[in-house]
Amino acid sequence: GAVVSQHPSRVICKSGTSVKIECRSLDFQATTMFWYRQFPKQSLMLMATSNEGSKATYEQGVEKDKFLINHASLTLSTLTVTSAHPEDSSFYICSAHRQANTEAFFGQGTRLTVV
Amino acid sequence: GQQLNQSPQSMFIQEGEDVSMNCTSSSIFNTWLWYKQDPGEGPVLLIALYKAGELTSNGRLTAQFGITRKDSFLNISASIPSDVGIYFCAGLGEETSGSRLTFGEGTQLTVNP
Repeated sequence: GAVVSQHPSRVICKSGTSVKIECRSLDFQATTMFWYRQFPKQSLMLMATSNEGSKATYEQGVEKDKFLINHASLTLSTLTVTSAHPEDSSFYICSAHRQANTEAFFGQGTRLTVV
Repeated sequence: GQQLNQSPQSMFIQEGEDVSMNCTSSSIFNTWLWYKQDPGEGPVLLIALYKAGELTSNGRLTAQFGITRKDSFLNISASIPSDVGIYFCAGLGEETSGSRLTFGEGTQLTVNP
């Protein structure tokens, strides 16, 4: 069964509003989680590393004020897309590892559509 | 940065055929992972490889961690329609990489009944 749960799976929002996506590790604690963005027919693009109890580390070109990450507990990280615009429409996926430097488990993904 | 070259980009096969795809890198990886992604879903782990030369099977799937630690392949035997999807390889580098994965570009597999 799924070890990483992501919610919601789909969301449609109006341009200018904010959307929060949750990522939970179900049966293990994750001090680090990862957030990806995926465009159609492309691979996963790492956006940021979410660190429990500290600031997230963003990849080059990813706006930290646009994509707010909060990792308030060892089982939950959230990604908030602020003031969403149509170009933010995409598939967002989170992942976590049971142990450092081992296989990653991915959430089910969130299809965000901004209208 | 590190990059993985995954090939082929796409494959169109008949049900029952065997499939092979591979990933190569100019850098060494300590772990190779193979994932399958269905439309609208997150990637699901198929096989994890932790030792150079390791050959691991999972049902009809077999994957190997190259001796040089710079490549890996995935074979699917006797393909069935539900094998359709995108297959990604991913590598984990040195421990200092902080569990960051490097992904291949993916192989889109189509199986005709």
